[in-house]
Amino acid sequence: DAKTTQPPSMDCAEGRAANLPCNHSTISGNEYVYWYRQIHSQGPQYIIHGLKNNETNEMASLIITEDRKSSTLILPHATLRDTAVYYCIVRNAGGTSYGKLTFGQGTILTVHP
Amino acid sequence: NAGVTQTPKFRVLKTGQSMTLLCAQDMNHEYMYWYRQDPGMGLRLIHYSVGEGTTAKGEVPDGYNVSRLKKQNFLLGLESAAPSQTSVYFCASSLTDTEAFFGQGTRLTVV
Repeated sequence: DAKTTQPPSMDCAEGRAANLPCNHSTISGNEYVYWYRQIHSQGPQYIIHGLKNNETNEMASLIITEDRKSSTLILPHATLRDTAVYYCIVRNAGGTSYGKLTFGQGTILTVHP
Repeated sequence: NAGVTQTPKFRVLKTGQSMTLLCAQDMNHEYMYWYRQDPGMGLRLIHYSVGEGTTAKGEVPDGYNVSRLKKQNFLLGLESAAPSQTSVYFCASSLTDTEAFFGQGTRLTVV
């Protein structure tokens, strides 16, 4: 699976959009970009994933660049409860991947009042 | 639905003792996983299972054994606990190659 690079920490004001970047310059054509978050040592929580098109769900939006070498997770209106570690994970779908996830260090997002 | 339930939530072991962590899921998921998380680090995969009766090694399998006798349960065993196994253990499940659902974790301390 491709390696990802994320900033170690970011700050965001409550009510503003939080834009979390992820670099995955070695991504291959059949690899998806997944985002999970972990709130205060709870179990990680799935947020969103995508292959090459931008994706949106009730939690967030995922913007993937045309060359797929980087992506941005957008939390449109951050709240204090969005303070967490955010993990960007790139992995194959199908084959022998079996849903396995390789976690990096992630980005610590702190939302402040 | 309870989702993914881990038992116990906390445990202190003495070096050399054995124990079993239980993971139960009620979502009829095929795939199940055990991860460990050390302070300030991301999760690392210990073992996983792609169906009842199957298990496979992950990134850090040494010192652990697993069993998946029933589809809904995935057991993680420590035969002879070591201080290096002090960690937070997370179980997860997924339908197949889809998003994973995680339990709340088991905090294990080996003294």
